[in-house]
Amino acid sequence: EAAVTQSPRNKVTVTGGNVTLSCRQTNSHNYMYWYRQDTGHGLRLIHYSYGAGNLQIGDVPDGYKATRTTQEDFFLLLELASPSQTSLYFCASSYRGTEVFFGKGTRLTVV
Amino acid sequence: AQKVTQTQTSISVVEKTTVTMDCVYETRDSSYFLFWYKQTASGEIVFLIRQDSYKKENATVGHYSLNFQKPKSSIGLIITATQIEDSAVYFCAMREVMSNYNVLYFGSGTKLTVEP
Repeated sequence: EAAVTQSPRNKVTVTGGNVTLSCRQTNSHNYMYWYRQDTGHGLRLIHYSYGAGNLQIGDVPDGYKATRTTQEDFFLLLELASPSQTSLYFCASSYRGTEVFFGKGTRLTVV
Repeated sequence: AQKVTQTQTSISVVEKTTVTMDCVYETRDSSYFLFWYKQTASGEIVFLIRQDSYKKENATVGHYSLNFQKPKSSIGLIITATQIEDSAVYFCAMREVMSNYNVLYFGSGTKLTVEP
């Protein structure tokens, strides 16, 4: 079973604050993704990557940056957090042609 | 544009009955993959079942099966002999074969409640 670990699991920050969400996968998957989940919207893709140094823009990228530092590590950065970014964030990974495996999620609250 | 649509927001069934959850998708690709995922009460998202567009036979895994109707761009999830533990949110997802990044597009989810 693929392992995708997210940290922190919960985070509260203030408006305008700086937040980094971390994700590590230990299965040598090429692809990694950041999704956000909001009621009524399901899972929406923020950024994704194929390998270290590669970044692709998803469907809802505004206000987010991402960085893939290694094959294993993918970070999501919110440099000026806003209340609209309060959400449940999921990191996921996959190898081409297989199903996507998800982390347990990070609940972010921006007050 | 919404690629995957789940119109049923919530469904409630009695234990041991059969339930069907609907999903329609949009794609211009001739080849694609369709998935169903389950999100448990703890928030964990797990893969359930997959249908490849070129396969005519409906996929089946345990008490999950699919009703794939390609002309209607529809992929329904059927759960037979439902159990209390099947209560969860179910997401339909699609990946286009021509996608270079294995990106999954998700529907908004259907909340299933199984009652005793």
